[in-house]
Amino acid sequence: NAGVMQNPRHLVRRRGQEARLRCSPMKGHSHVYWYRQLPEEGLKFMVYLQKENIIDESGMPKERFSAEFPKEGPSILRIQQVVRGDSAAYFCASSPDVVETQYFGPGTRLLVL
Amino acid sequence: DQQVKQNSPSLSVQEGRISILNCDYTNSMFDYFLWYKKYPAEGPTFLISISSIKDKNEDGRFTVFLNKSAKHLSLHIVPSQPGDSAVYFCAARANTNAGKSTFGDGTTLTVKP
Repeated sequence: NAGVMQNPRHLVRRRGQEARLRCSPMKGHSHVYWYRQLPEEGLKFMVYLQKENIIDESGMPKERFSAEFPKEGPSILRIQQVVRGDSAAYFCASSPDVVETQYFGPGTRLLVL
Repeated sequence: DQQVKQNSPSLSVQEGRISILNCDYTNSMFDYFLWYKKYPAEGPTFLISISSIKDKNEDGRFTVFLNKSAKHLSLHIVPSQPGDSAVYFCAARANTNAGKSTFGDGTTLTVKP
């Protein structure tokens, strides 16, 4: 029973490029959450999605960031025109229902040069 | 405005002794609290949780205490083991917005043999 999977684990981008982070939830989980962790800080909520729907995107920056969770395939967090401040660890979590415990993936470490 | 605070960035204890990690929150809407443990280069791992209708929850060596009037919770680990050395995050959420967990900045626990 595989846990939450994220890829790539490490991603290097130059300023202005696009970053695509993928998250496959645990089997049977239809709720996906994205968090960002800056160095020496806690995890900050970005977005909560349920299959094909964005439920809460109150933590997403207004520009350059988008997320989707299609009917088939993984959830994608997309960052357009990356800047150095986007360098962080991005964690995905999933749960079978919104009131259940969220289980986290290993994260994607994004480095913007 | 940080709604969940872990005021001790680090804690060092001797193997076999008790570790007490503290967490304070300001949002009175929070009614469910979780503790996560995180090793370097991995995602957070769920440890234990507590609902606001309880003041204590125990699971093996881990006990979480909740003081609603003080808006304070603590995680007790006894006896502490070297393998417990990690960063511990406190998280909170509100039933009205259960998809969004708010995290503290973490406490790094070091258990010395």
